[in-house]
Amino acid sequence: DIVMTQTPLSSPVTLGQPASISCRSSQSLVHSDGNTYLSWLQQRPGQPPRLLIYRVSNRFSGVPDRFSGSGAGTDFTLKISRVEAEDVGVYYCMQATHFPPYTFGQGTKLEIK
Amino acid sequence: EVQLVESGGGLVKPGESLRLSCAASGFSFRYFTMNWVRQAPGKGLEWVSSISSSSDSIYYVDSLKGRFTISRDNTKNSLYLQMNSLRAEDTAVYYCARERPDIETFDIWGQGTMVTVSS
Repeated sequence: DIVMTQTPLSSPVTLGQPASISCRSSQSLVHSDGNTYLSWLQQRPGQPPRLLIYRVSNRFSGVPDRFSGSGAGTDFTLKISRVEAEDVGVYYCMQATHFPPYTFGQGTKLEIK
Repeated sequence: EVQLVESGGGLVKPGESLRLSCAASGFSFRYFTMNWVRQAPGKGLEWVSSISSSSDSIYYVDSLKGRFTISRDNTKNSLYLQMNSLRAEDTAVYYCARERPDIETFDIWGQGTMVTVSS
């Protein structure tokens, strides 16, 4: 199974400042069809997960443009350009290239300093 | 409004069974692969099982094979998870999630239903 490793596991950030979360996979996530099926999910406290980014860098419908995704192969990054209070929560990367199973990172907790 | 609503969670003893349901609305349920994902208290997300639109492809996480059974009824817009021989480590919030085939990820999630296995 593909292991997804996120760093850091906790990220205290000042409001209005940028934040960055890294996700590394144990194998390349490039699928045989040429796509890379790496997505990012946000889970606010007490809420279900919500899709933010799909296929590495595509923002899902309704996601603010302060969220961006990048990366290739085994290394991926989620960036928030200016953190807002509503961004507090846990962020997960997830791979779908090597299914089954789908696998998630351990989660990164974003909190305000 | 596109919506998934889970039900059926509760407190059960080790070794007992439980059947979870997920009611879909606001979209053509019969065309989508559906999944169950769980989250133990204070822990991360774990994919549990997947079922294709016509139920011809079914997958489980290896650690659960033989104890859990996923199914669906497209006439009722419903997804199910039959959980047998429950263990304390199955204690978690269970989410159903829709899979978008064009982006290969879960775009719609339910609110979840809590399953607690304890004597």
